[in-house]
Amino acid sequence: EVQLVESGGGLVKPGGSLRLSCAASGFTFSSYSMNWVRQAPGKGLEWVSSISSSSSYIYYADSVKGRFTISRDNAKNSLYLQMNSLRAEDTAVYYCARDDYGDYSAFYWGQGTLVTVSS
Amino acid sequence: QSALTQPASVSGSPGQSITISCTGTSSDVGGYNYVSWYQQHPGKAPKLMIYEVSNRPSGVPDRFSGSKSGNTASLTISGLQAEDEADYYCSSYTSSSTLEFGGGTKLTVL
Repeated sequence: EVQLVESGGGLVKPGGSLRLSCAASGFTFSSYSMNWVRQAPGKGLEWVSSISSSSSYIYYADSVKGRFTISRDNAKNSLYLQMNSLRAEDTAVYYCARDDYGDYSAFYWGQGTLVTVSS
Repeated sequence: QSALTQPASVSGSPGQSITISCTGTSSDVGGYNYVSWYQQHPGKAPKLMIYEVSNRPSGVPDRFSGSKSGNTASLTISGLQAEDEADYYCSSYTSSSTLEFGGGTKLTVL
């Protein structure tokens, strides 16, 4: 069974940092590109970042470019999102999602982890 | 302001059909056959309903169908059921190798 489990969310002050993790199981992690998608409370979905299977290709939304870094460890079946210089508008549930069809569309999602940026 | 434009809400009675539109540009929806549709119930992760404009993942009822004309993609739900009441989001791959989502459409089953 494919499972994606996010962790690392929490309360952080503006300007602070947080590192999210996504533990993958039930599939060959190293064969898939992965995405981070977020959803602010009561708002819509926002794509954050994507990383290819071998980390050769990495893309970011303009809203996080220069502040967030996506990475992965295929040996540990894990995806990461390092978030620096956090702002109130980064408050959201962060989901990791598997790119199932090579076009960023995702059938498998984690349950999400809440990041709250507030003083 | 979302890059892809969706109606904020649509409604329909059980058994009826509804269509949700998703309008972008030639740099996203119009330029690629990489439009997806997601269903999201409150407090749940999104569920993929359509990928590559009109393909249904395994397990998605054939009441759900997708299409595209020019810069506008559409999701049609036929034989509306109570459990279809949810938020629906379109997404599209873009010329910048990024992904854009629509603002979301709340479907109410009357």
